[in-house]
Amino acid sequence: QVHLVQSGAEVKEPGASVRLSCKASGYTFGNSYIHWLRQGPEQGLEWMGAVTPSDGTTIYAQKFQGRISVSRDTSTSTVYMDLSSLRSEDTAVYYCARDGVGTTFISYFDSWGQGTLVTVSS
Amino acid sequence: EVVLTQSPGALSLSPGERATLSCRASQSVDSGYLAWYQQKPGQAPRLLIYDASTRATGIPDRFSGRGSGADFILTISRLEPEDIAVYFCQQYGSSPPLTFGGGTKVQIK
Repeated sequence: QVHLVQSGAEVKEPGASVRLSCKASGYTFGNSYIHWLRQGPEQGLEWMGAVTPSDGTTIYAQKFQGRISVSRDTSTSTVYMDLSSLRSEDTAVYYCARDGVGTTFISYFDSWGQGTLVTVSS
Repeated sequence: EVVLTQSPGALSLSPGERATLSCRASQSVDSGYLAWYQQKPGQAPRLLIYDASTRATGIPDRFSGRGSGADFILTISRLEPEDIAVYFCQQYGSSPPLTFGGGTKVQIK
């Protein structure tokens, strides 16, 4: 049974950075890409980027280029998402999700983490 | 970027009724690569349908999807109280960004 367990809620000031984690279990970590998405009150569901666990190749939505970095630790089956220069509009629930096809960045999402609330406020 | 427009924004039906949810894309979605998700309050989205019409593992057969090109439909054949949720469509037919519709909220009368 696939499980994606995310780190806990964060409160950050504008301009700060945040690192979120997503620990995978119940399947072969290297076989499926992991994506990051977010859901804010105004923006709805947004795809942010993804990583190939096998070799660390990443792809990001243009909207977040320069502010986002996704990485993985194969020894712990954990994926990380760093987002910098936070602003109030980044307040949202952030999700990691597994690629449903497995080995493509153009896919649906067949398993989701529980979500992490990030609040950006001074 | 492919923009997905869902309608109606909200739907209120009685148990046992049929729910029809629409998702229209701003351009044709290649190969019918469209998915539907169900999201209940406080929970992450759950995959219902992928490739426009294939039910995900464990999804009841009262959920069905159809469509091609730029027009897609999710049908809940006999609404049950546990189907109260927001339903989203998502396209993956073109290169990133992957995009979602704004959602349809389904309520029980």
